Amino acid sequence: AQSVAQPEDQVKVAEGNPLTVKCTYSVSGNPYLFWYVQYPNRGLQFLLKYITGDNLVKGSYGFEAEFNKSQTSFHLKKPSALVSDSALYFCAVRDGGGYNKLIFGAGTRLAVHP
Amino acid sequence: DGGITQSPKYLFRKEGQNVTLSCEQNLNHDAMYWYRQDPGQGLRLIYYSQIVNDFQKGDIAEGYSVSREKKESFPLTVTSAQKNPTAFYLCASRPGQYQNTEAFFGQGTRLTVV
Repeated sequence: AQSVAQPEDQVKVAEGNPLTVKCTYSVSGNPYLFWYVQYPNRGLQFLLKYITGDNLVKGSYGFEAEFNKSQTSFHLKKPSALVSDSALYFCAVRDGGGYNKLIFGAGTRLAVHP
Repeated sequence: DGGITQSPKYLFRKEGQNVTLSCEQNLNHDAMYWYRQDPGQGLRLIYYSQIVNDFQKGDIAEGYSVSREKKESFPLTVTSAQKNPTAFYLCASRPGQYQNTEAFFGQGTRLTVV
């Protein structure tokens, strides 16, 4: 079965420092991977996805993610964190079944302090 | 504006009542999904639908029901059989025929049992 794991419940960084939010996956076949962000009491917003091609994927709001097949990881990164980046981040993988539903990790809360 | 509209934003249910959460999309998407979000548990799939008049149970379908009579609408009913319905409910949609497309989410409905 397809699955994703986000090993950190919370990540804290100082504004201006680089940030990394970790995600590992387990899939059979080629992985289709996604990152979403959620602000309080709101829906999820799409950040970026990996389908195929370059291992470094660039997305919205200056975020990028690095796909590493040997380590089965898809970590979210940003070179310089902003206080406004503070939110809940979800990694997801597409289920390979016919309905292509997304399977989500438990989420990582990012706190950026001034 | 194209998007997904969930209503109401807040909903209160008395013990033993059925309540229905609305989800409407004008994106012309074939596939629609309902997720439940609880703190620390990420998103869990309740039901999903690939096309009109078709839907499938997700991981936690017990105590819920859905219908898909129109392409743009996918209402979720939380029945009295759902013993712990207090949660944040998210509806999503995506173009069903493309495997690598991201899902678009509504702003959510927060259901509370009183």
